[in-house]
Amino acid sequence: EAQVTQNPRYLITVTGKKLTVTCSQNMNHEYMSWYRQDPGLGLRQIYYSMNVEVTDKGDVPEGYKVSRKEKRNFPLILESPSPNQTSLYFCASAKADNTGANVLTFGAGSRLTVL
Amino acid sequence: SQKIEQNSEALNIQEGKTATLTCNYTNYSPAYLQWYRQDPGRGPVFLLLIRENEKEKRKERLKVTFDTTLKQSLFHITASQPADSATYLCALSYTGGFKTIFGAGTRLFVKA
Repeated sequence: EAQVTQNPRYLITVTGKKLTVTCSQNMNHEYMSWYRQDPGLGLRQIYYSMNVEVTDKGDVPEGYKVSRKEKRNFPLILESPSPNQTSLYFCASAKADNTGANVLTFGAGSRLTVL
Repeated sequence: SQKIEQNSEALNIQEGKTATLTCNYTNYSPAYLQWYRQDPGRGPVFLLLIRENEKEKRKERLKVTFDTTLKQSLFHITASQPADSATYLCALSYTGGFKTIFGAGTRLFVKA
């Protein structure tokens, strides 16, 4: 089944304790992206990657890092989490059609709480 | 910066009626606009995509219009069903497609 898999689905951690949220897709998509979703603010893009070893900042990159060493994986790293990073996180991937349009396939989400 | 506005209030309609959701944006028009459905506790799921040079797109009971003059897209669900109850997200993408900006979504409730 074509899918985007995120882990963990739920995590409670404490301020300053480094964590990684993994994201893997099995559709051979070039494009991958991370979003956070907060009430009333919608989905905001954190980082995206156009292909292996190519990453760039989205609208809210502060406090996050990413890497894209393989096409299928795009982990999100919080080096020193803070309470304002408590949120619902979504990973997405896409393969551009012949006009350059990216239709996103989302993971199930990772709910992170930082105490 | 680009802003997207969707009905912030929930939309309540009776089963069988047509639901119409609005997406307004400021500034420059996107290369294409998408609509996604999101159920509680789940990731958004793609529904329809419409390009800047298209006026209307249909898929089964769904219809999307795109007016670049008004800077607005309308999303219609005809013959709505309780199973259509969900949050619907509007998303704008620009040439290259690397940046997709989402609205906050409109919650739709369809009553039997």
